[in-house]
Amino acid sequence: EDKVVQSPLSLVVHEGDTVTLNCSYEVTNFRSLLWYKQEKKAPTFLFMLTSSGIEKKSGRLSSILDKKELFSILNITATQTGDSAIYLCAVEAPRGGSEKLVFGKGTKLTVNP
Amino acid sequence: EPEVTQTPSHQVTQMGQEVILRCVPISNHLYFYWYRQILGQKVEFLVSFYNNEISEKSEIFDDQFSVERPDGSNFTLKIRSTKLEDSAMYFCASSEETGPGYTFGSGTRLTVV
Repeated sequence: EDKVVQSPLSLVVHEGDTVTLNCSYEVTNFRSLLWYKQEKKAPTFLFMLTSSGIEKKSGRLSSILDKKELFSILNITATQTGDSAIYLCAVEAPRGGSEKLVFGKGTKLTVNP
Repeated sequence: EPEVTQTPSHQVTQMGQEVILRCVPISNHLYFYWYRQILGQKVEFLVSFYNNEISEKSEIFDDQFSVERPDGSNFTLKIRSTKLEDSAMYFCASSEETGPGYTFGSGTRLTVV
């Protein structure tokens, strides 16, 4: 069974701190790993990673994938209260023409002022 | 920016009633999906739809569930006889044939009482 595990499940930090969120996976047919930010409702897309060792960066957020060790990390530097959200990791594991995503449970990040 | 539209945003229904959740995917997208998220739990895949047929479905997607693309723009999820455990946020998503990543709708919160 395809599995995505995120850690920690919950994290509370102060503004300005740097955080690292972890995602490990076991899937039979890996295509890509995606990070989403979920605030009130729909997950919003952050990054898609397909190759090992190449860092994707967007402002204070960055992410990298290790396909040998089957994990990814999402880093957020100089956190702000607006970064408070649930961060979801998902793996694209296509099967039979479908591009199904397998989600982890998410990491709930709370950034206090 | 193109978006996936879901209606209604919140639906309350009596146990045993039928509900139809509606979605308008992005117009040039070819793959369509339904996911659900029970409160406090992870986002779970329900079904994917391509070329007017189901391409993959999960164990959750039993005979009570059906999907349809009735008119080339809408994509609907029907639950025939709702149960209390069907209470969840239901997300529709769509993607282009080659990705990257999905675009999620803002979700329909279904409450079965």
